[in-house]
Amino acid sequence: DAKTTQPNSMESNEEEPVHLPCNHSTISGTDYIHWYRQLPSQGPEYVIHGLTSNVNNRMASLAIAEDRKSSTLILHRATLRDAAVYYCILRDPNAGNNRKLIWGLGTSLAVNP
Amino acid sequence: GAGVSQSPSNKVTEKGKDVELRCDPISGHTALYWYRQSLGQGLEFLIYFQGNSAPDKSGLPSDRFSAERTGGSVSTLTIQRTQQEDSAVYLCASSLGFSADTQYFGPGTRLTVL
Repeated sequence: DAKTTQPNSMESNEEEPVHLPCNHSTISGTDYIHWYRQLPSQGPEYVIHGLTSNVNNRMASLAIAEDRKSSTLILHRATLRDAAVYYCILRDPNAGNNRKLIWGLGTSLAVNP
Repeated sequence: GAGVSQSPSNKVTEKGKDVELRCDPISGHTALYWYRQSLGQGLEFLIYFQGNSAPDKSGLPSDRFSAERTGGSVSTLTIQRTQQEDSAVYLCASSLGFSADTQYFGPGTRLTVL
């Protein structure tokens, strides 16, 4: 089962880095790790995804452990607008050609001014 | 460019009535998903359309739920004989297609069944 485990909540201060952890010990060798976030009263939005190597984009960085059983989403300088629920997601291995993602409860990130 | 749009943004209905929720995906996106999100919960997959292939309906919770996608674009999710437990935010997402995982979400429709 392509489940992920994340802390229920985390807190950060504005302009400080945030490291959001995710465990995915049952990940298969070909599964990408996806991160989405959901701001209050909005639909989720894509943040980043990766397979083995660390990834960077304008929103965040993704650090993937060498054994791929865990990863960390890094927000380099948190802003108040980054307060959201962050989901670490794998694809359902039983979904065949359906690119169905398995969504957990995510981590609710609070950013203090 | 235009993102995924959904209508209505809010829908209040009485128990037993039928409702239709609409999703307009991003132009050119061949894959379309419907999800349901109850208060404080993660996303629950409902149904997936990919091009002209038969939809994956494995997430529909009962036969009161159905969805169509006409012309490979607009999709409608229909809930018949609504129940109070159907109250949730219904989210639609689209993606480029078969090999593209990134999903782009609409703002959702908040359904309240009284």
